[in-house]
Amino acid sequence: SAVISQKPSRDICQRGTSLTIQCQVDSQVTMMFWYRQQPGQSLTLIATANQGSEATYESGFVIDKFPISRPNLTFSTLTVSNMSPEDSSIYLCSSSTLYGYTFGSGTRLTVV
Amino acid sequence: AQTVTQSQPEMSVQEAETVTLSCTYDTSESDYYLFWYKQPPSRQMILVIRQEAYKQQNATENRFSVNFQKAAKSFSLKISDSQLGDAAMYFCAYRMNSGGSNYKLTFGKGTLLTVNP
Repeated sequence: SAVISQKPSRDICQRGTSLTIQCQVDSQVTMMFWYRQQPGQSLTLIATANQGSEATYESGFVIDKFPISRPNLTFSTLTVSNMSPEDSSIYLCSSSTLYGYTFGSGTRLTVV
Repeated sequence: AQTVTQSQPEMSVQEAETVTLSCTYDTSESDYYLFWYKQPPSRQMILVIRQEAYKQQNATENRFSVNFQKAAKSFSLKISDSQLGDAAMYFCAYRMNSGGSNYKLTFGKGTLLTVNP
């Protein structure tokens, strides 16, 4: 199954700044997904990214805050813009495979 | 909308014993997939087992097996001969299978499993 490299693994950022998270997949995948996970809680889908088209955002998430790029079938980025302490969370990317879903190892973001 | 419910926020089991984690879901679809994922403290999401709704036979992967009751919309995970490495958060997840138009995973809130030596 596909393997996803996600970076950075963690970061501490100042409020008002932006952070870009990268995910590299070792094979071509059609769909990539970006999730947010508060500590000890479940995963909440932010958006679905198809190559060559605009990402589809879930209710409560907007492109201005979480712009996503999907330049090819093996790479995607999520930017968390104009950060506030409420954005402190774990962010994970995922791709669908024939058998299930593969996940990156997550980015732990702390906004101070 | 599809929903996934895990009614046990926390469970504990003695090493070498058996534990069952519960999951129920709500959907009007007849064709879908169900998953159990494990998330240890490392944060890495690991696929434990997958069940296709049109298959009546319960999926099994080594010490992990499911009890899939389609009519009752129930999908429990049984872990046999529990090991210390099984300690993790376990998530039940659902995915519709409507001809490729929707690949989103819907997760339950998770069950934190503790394994006692």
